[in-house]
Amino acid sequence: NAGVTQTPKFQVLKTGQSMTLQCAQDMNHNSMYWYRQDPGMGLRLIYYSASEGTTDKGEVPNGYNVSRLNKREFSLRLESAAPSQTSVYFCASSEAAALGEQYFGPGTRLTVT
Amino acid sequence: SQQGEEDPQALSIQEGENATMNCSYKTSINNLQWYRQNSGRGLVHLILIRSNEREKHSGRLRVTLDTSKKSSSLLITASRAADTASYFCATDSGGSNYKLTFGKGTLLTVNP
Repeated sequence: NAGVTQTPKFQVLKTGQSMTLQCAQDMNHNSMYWYRQDPGMGLRLIYYSASEGTTDKGEVPNGYNVSRLNKREFSLRLESAAPSQTSVYFCASSEAAALGEQYFGPGTRLTVT
Repeated sequence: SQQGEEDPQALSIQEGENATMNCSYKTSINNLQWYRQNSGRGLVHLILIRSNEREKHSGRLRVTLDTSKKSSSLLITASRAADTASYFCATDSGGSNYKLTFGKGTLLTVNP
C-alpha cells in the first residue's frame, strides 16, 4: 500500500517547455487534488477532481491543465512553462467529505529557468 | 484566497515544553484540520475537528475550536525534537467538492 505516489521527484524545465506531472493513489479514493506550495505560503489549490470523470478549477488554475485518467490517476500538465511556475507541487487524495482528511504525495520540485 | 491564518509564523521552544499554535478563519466551516509538514516532505494529517465539537485529543495533541471567534488552537504537549516541522490548519467549508483551504503555517522548532 504505497498511498499517493508522484513522479518525477525533481524536474528542471526551460521557459516554454511542456511537461506532465503524474499522480496515482491506491486507496480507492474518489477525490484527488493538485496543489502548489511556494516559500512562505501555504498550499494553493490548482485543480481538483471530486470524482472520476470530473475536474474543476481551484484557486490558481491559469497555465495548467489536468486529466483524471481513471479513479487512481490524476495528472497535471504545464503546456508552456513559465518561471512563475517554479514551485513544489503536491498531489493529494481523499475518500469522502465525511472523513475530510487528505493524503498527500511526497511532492515534485519543479524549477523553470 | 487563504481562509486560515496561523499565528505565530514561527515558534522556537525547548524539548519538554508545550507548543501552542493558533488558527483564525473567515467563513463558516464544516470542519477544521491540522497537518504537519516535515522539511522537504508532503503534508501529514494530524487531527480533524468538526464544527459541532469544541475540543479533541489525539495522543500529545489537543485541538480546540471556537466557532463564535472563528479560531482554533493546536497544543502539542511535552514536545520532542522530532516535532520540529511546519504546522498548517485547513478549513473545509462544505459542499460536494471536499476542498480544503490551507493557511500559511507555523514553523515549530523544538531544540534538544
